[in-house]
Amino acid sequence: GAGVSQSPRYKVAKRGQDVALRCDPISGHVSLFWYQQALGQGPEFLTYFQNEAQLDKSGLPSDRFFAERPEGSVSTLKIQRTQQEDSAVYLCASSLATQPRARYNEQFFGPGTRLTVL
Amino acid sequence: QKEVEQDPGPLSVPEGAIVSLNCTYSNSAFQYFMWYRQYSRKGPELLMYTYSSGNKEDGRFTAQVDKSSKYISLFIRDSQPSDSATYLCAMIIQGAQKLVFGQGTRLTINP
Repeated sequence: GAGVSQSPRYKVAKRGQDVALRCDPISGHVSLFWYQQALGQGPEFLTYFQNEAQLDKSGLPSDRFFAERPEGSVSTLKIQRTQQEDSAVYLCASSLATQPRARYNEQFFGPGTRLTVL
Repeated sequence: QKEVEQDPGPLSVPEGAIVSLNCTYSNSAFQYFMWYRQYSRKGPELLMYTYSSGNKEDGRFTAQVDKSSKYISLFIRDSQPSDSATYLCAMIIQGAQKLVFGQGTRLTINP
């Protein structure tokens, strides 16, 4: 079956522009995550949705970052007034359910959107 | 200091060698320990996970967790050029949702 897809794969923005990054999770997956991966670094958590509810947005670096998942499926990460430090790969992941206590619910990652801010 | 520390490498070894990759962590609440593999311009994919301390083997891969030392390892036996990738350790607190990753180790297996 289809995995997590993200679009666009590459985005170049001029400083100050707004961008919108899209994530299509695996069908039926309840949980959706956004991570930011700077060059040469591991992914860092941004935000988490359970269905349409945004339950954790503690990793969003500033109020310029906004994420939504209005119908509990597709999600959009929006960055307003982009800055050079926003340049990174933005990864989306989904998992079948919320994290149970007995085992790990695998997070399946998309290929990412590489954002370059000039 | 980051919660999870991982030597970024790069690490270059000949084909057939045994590879050892390691991470240390500071938060004793971590209960699940994962190893992800990331090829260039791809998303991470799960290799293995272990719960609490102990060893787990899957083919050429062995994951070890030592909670008393807050230290985890991934061993790759009979390494192949196709194993060349960045290896990310990741951890999660029981009941929490977000993964906490190490920096990643870039590995090259030379034919």
